Amino acid sequence: GESVGLHLPTLSVQEGDNSIINCAYSNSASDYFIWYKQESGKGPQFIIDIRSNMDKRQGQRVTVLLNKTVKHLSLQIAATQPGDSAPPSCSGNTGKLIFGQGTTLQVKP
Amino acid sequence: DSGVTQTPKHLITATGQRVTLRCSPRSGDLSVYWYQQSLDQGLQFLIQYYNGEERAKGNILERFSAQQFPDLHSELNLSSLELGDSALYFCASSETGYEQYFGPGTRLTVT
Repeated sequence: GESVGLHLPTLSVQEGDNSIINCAYSNSASDYFIWYKQESGKGPQFIIDIRSNMDKRQGQRVTVLLNKTVKHLSLQIAATQPGDSAPPSCSGNTGKLIFGQGTTLQVKP
Repeated sequence: DSGVTQTPKHLITATGQRVTLRCSPRSGDLSVYWYQQSLDQGLQFLIQYYNGEERAKGNILERFSAQQFPDLHSELNLSSLELGDSALYFCASSETGYEQYFGPGTRLTVT
């Protein structure tokens, strides 16, 4: 099936720096994307979502950018904190199976 | 605790059967979202309801249906169950349509 996948398995950043995590999708009909984090054995924790009629959406310390031309999604985290180390995942939908696996964000003090 | 409740917590059933999963949103939240998460996979958005009406549809099979009731709780109905339907099913609720709060999930096992 179609997939939404993260480019980088591990991202190492200094505490307080900004971090960017990228995600790619292959089906141009995808119209909804969500970034979330999920610790082992626990439910998801919402980070931010975006619909395909938007290019950018901002939240508290996070911004999601959607580039439909290149089918690319990125999550920008401002002032990265140790609590941000739970791996974020991206997911989308087109009516086919689409998923994104989490990447590990390593925050150095 | 997100304030979103889901029942049952676990459900084991046989292929071909039908089950109903229930979700109670946070007080005041009008939107309910349903997601499926299969083993080692990410969330699959299924469907969203807002104040009783379907708002958005995602990767939801025809064998699945959902509804949101006047008291805002929602039910996800899964019928003609197959082994591949075994998964965690999460619901989330939202007041503003901006931030979603996830429930603890229902683990469905189809044998």
